[in-house]
Amino acid sequence: QEKVQQSPESLIVPEGAMVSLNCSFSDSASQSIWWYQQHPGKGPKALISIFSNGNKKEGRLTVYLNRASLHVSLHIKDSQPSDSAVYLCAVRRGSNYQLIWGSGTKLIIKP
Amino acid sequence: DPKIIQKPKYLVAVTGSEKILICEQYLGHNAMYWYRQSAKKPLEFMFSYSYQKLMDNQTASSRFQPQSSKKNHLDLQITALKPDDSATYFCASSPDWGGANTLYFGAGTRLSVL
Repeated sequence: QEKVQQSPESLIVPEGAMVSLNCSFSDSASQSIWWYQQHPGKGPKALISIFSNGNKKEGRLTVYLNRASLHVSLHIKDSQPSDSAVYLCAVRRGSNYQLIWGSGTKLIIKP
Repeated sequence: DPKIIQKPKYLVAVTGSEKILICEQYLGHNAMYWYRQSAKKPLEFMFSYSYQKLMDNQTASSRFQPQSSKKNHLDLQITALKPDDSATYFCASSPDWGGANTLYFGAGTRLSVL
């Protein structure tokens, strides 16, 4: 059974700082990795996904995938108070294409 | 305007009762899903539908029954409610089932079973 572990559990950084979030998974055959953002009282919202080894950049977000080490990271540049949320890592694998989710990292950006 | 509407937002039920959670999506998507989020646990996949056909069921209990009356509706009926069923239930949709499709989530129904 695929397992997805996220670290740290929580993180407090000052506005404008670079944020780095980590996610490890247990199966190198995982097809794709997704990052979602969840604000209190809301459903998760997709931010960025990656399928191939390497990195992908979208706006202030960069994601790095290393299949050999079963690790993916999300980096948020120039963090804003509105980035305060829980960040969820999800891994998709298998014929049913379902996502296996991590427990999340709670990010607080202090103005 | 929210494109995935879940009703009600909050629900309190007594043990042993039955409730229906409503979900409608106005994104024109062909696939719909139910997920559950319990306190301090990861999001848990429950069901997926494509064109109103059940594609996958990862819920062990038959007390949970999805109902799709239209392509953009996927309700969740829960019978014989237990306190362990207390969680936030999220409905989601995607353009099509499977593959690299992005999931879009509703705001959830928070269920408390007393």
